Parts: sequence; structure tokens; C-alpha cells
Amino acid sequence: AQKVTQAQTEISVVEKEDVTLDCVYETRDTTYYLFWYKQPPSGELVFLIRRNSFDEQNEISGRYSWNFQKSTSSFNFTITASQVVDSAVYFCALILAYSGAGSYQLTFGKGTKLSVIP
Amino acid sequence: DADVTQTPRNRITKTGKRIMLECSQTKGHDRMYWYRQDPGLGLQLIYYSFDVKDINKGEISDGYSVSRQAQAKFSLSLESAIPNQTALYFCATSSGTGGYNEQFFGPGTRLTVL
Repeated sequence: AQKVTQAQTEISVVEKEDVTLDCVYETRDTTYYLFWYKQPPSGELVFLIRRNSFDEQNEISGRYSWNFQKSTSSFNFTITASQVVDSAVYFCALILAYSGAGSYQLTFGKGTKLSVIP
Repeated sequence: DADVTQTPRNRITKTGKRIMLECSQTKGHDRMYWYRQDPGLGLQLIYYSFDVKDINKGEISDGYSVSRQAQAKFSLSLESAIPNQTALYFCATSSGTGGYNEQFFGPGTRLTVL
């Protein structure tokens, strides 16, 4: 069975600080996808990124960047120059990339609550 | 208009009542899902459907049932609500290719069972 661990339950930073949210996953499969979702206080889930297991290139999107390292089974998310609007719960998730049983299920971590203080 | 809609957005009910949560999508996706979110626990899969004639239990299906009325509609029912079913419920959809494509989530339904 798959498992996603987000060890940081809550993080508080002061605005403009950089912050990294950790995600460690476990799977026996070699082909899978990893995701990050943002859940702002309003409650909806916002898709941020999808990364497949064969693509270890880091990705940058504005102030957001992601570091995927298969050697450590980690998919960490960094926000540069944090802003108050970044305050949210962030979820890391994993899904297997084949059509057999279990491939449909997104396995979520428990989330990291980020508070950015003005 | 939102691609995935859920009704109601908020519901307060009493123990023992039957409750139905509805989900509609305009994305044309074959696959639909119901998740439950409890504080500090992430999201857990309740039921999923790969097409109108295909319904499957997820990891926490006890106490719930679903109906896939059409490709675009997937309803979740609590036959006899209990307080520990108080949670935030999400509907999601994905395309039919492989199942590992991005899942698009609805805005959520906040259910309180007194």
C-alpha cells in the first residue's frame, strides 16, 4: 500500500520568508504520479502540480518550486518570499500509474497548515 | 460556471436522518469520486465510479451509499447519519485514461450531524 507523510503539521513564517513543505512517500511501484494541492481557508482544493516518477527535474512556477528526489522518496515544495495569501493547508498526494486495482486512488498526506504572518 | 459543483454547500442535520449530497460535472469525465476530509487526516476515498454502471467501494464506505445517475451526476447518501460522519465531503472527477490524471475537485460540502 502507498503512504504519504507530511511530517510538518503546522508551520508559521513571517511574510517574505522562504518556506519548504516536506513530503515523503512510500510505494513499491516504479511508476506513479505525485501531486500538491492547496486548500485555502475557504475550503476548496486547488491543484498546484503533478509530477511523474520518471521526471526528476525540479520545477519552478513563479514563487513556487518543487524538488523531486526519488533517492529519498521526497517531493518537497518551496515557497519563496511568502505572502499572506499563501496561508493554507497544503496536501501532497500520490497515485499509481497503471490501470490495475488501486491505481485510481489518490493517497493523501495529512496536510501541512502554513500560516504566513504579516 | 464551475466545472464540478456540489449541493448543498453546507448542511446541518440530526442523528438518524437520511442525507443526500449531490455532485455534478461539466468536464465530460467518466470517473467520479467521493472523498471525506476530517481535520488533520487528509482526504479518504469513500466511493468511486468509472462509468455509469461501475460503482466501487473506497477505503471508508461503511455507512455510505452512492448512485451514478448519469455520466455527469454522482450522489452520496448517508442512510442514517451519525455524529462521526461530521466532515467536509469532496466530489472529484478525472478522465478515463489510466486513472492517474489530475483529479478535479468540487468546492466541498460541509456536513454537521448533531
